[in-house]
Amino acid sequence: GENVEQHPSTLSVQEGDSAVIKCTYSDSASNYFPWYKQELGKGPQLIIDIRSNVGEKKDQRIAVTLNKTAKHFSLHITETQPEDSAVYFCAARPLYNTDKLIFGTGTRLQVFP
Amino acid sequence: NAGVTQTPKFQVLKTGQSMTLQCAQDMNHNSMYWYRQDPGMGLRLIYYSASEGTTDKGEVPNGYNVSRLNKREFSLRLESAAPSQTSVYFCASSPLPGDTDTQYFGPGTRLTVL
Repeated sequence: GENVEQHPSTLSVQEGDSAVIKCTYSDSASNYFPWYKQELGKGPQLIIDIRSNVGEKKDQRIAVTLNKTAKHFSLHITETQPEDSAVYFCAARPLYNTDKLIFGTGTRLQVFP
Repeated sequence: NAGVTQTPKFQVLKTGQSMTLQCAQDMNHNSMYWYRQDPGMGLRLIYYSASEGTTDKGEVPNGYNVSRLNKREFSLRLESAAPSQTSVYFCASSPLPGDTDTQYFGPGTRLTVL
């Protein structure tokens, strides 16, 4: 079945450094890839998404890249700040099953001052 | 806009009790979803509603029922709660019918079943 693998499960960085989280999906027909940030005690918040017709998308300090050939996509956070500390989830939407989102298992990012 | 709201925020039940989790969205979205989140297992889809008047099972529907009361509201019912249903429950919505593109989540309901 459809699957999304996410790595690493935990990531610790110093404030100001960059953080990269990677996801691999199994269904080559997937065409929509959102990223969610979940702070402690809150619901997941959509922070950026990318569709299969583009290779990269940027929004201030965050960017997402997509490699359709390799079936992987990555979240890049530059100039990290303590408020970036959270759990990040990637997801993929299958083209022929658009009412589903297949989620990765999450990455806990800690940014140390 | 409040976005997606859920009530209650916290609930403790005894095994066998029933309860209904409420969800409402004010974004005029067509699709609505119920997920559960357990440690190490990410988000799993329980039920969804692609449009008003329709509901479908997700990955883990056993022990749950849903009602799409109108376009705004989508409730999740536990008829006879079991300890295995201890979890955090999230409601979500997205604009298009039957499409998870641009899905927004509520703040969650933390449920404990003793």
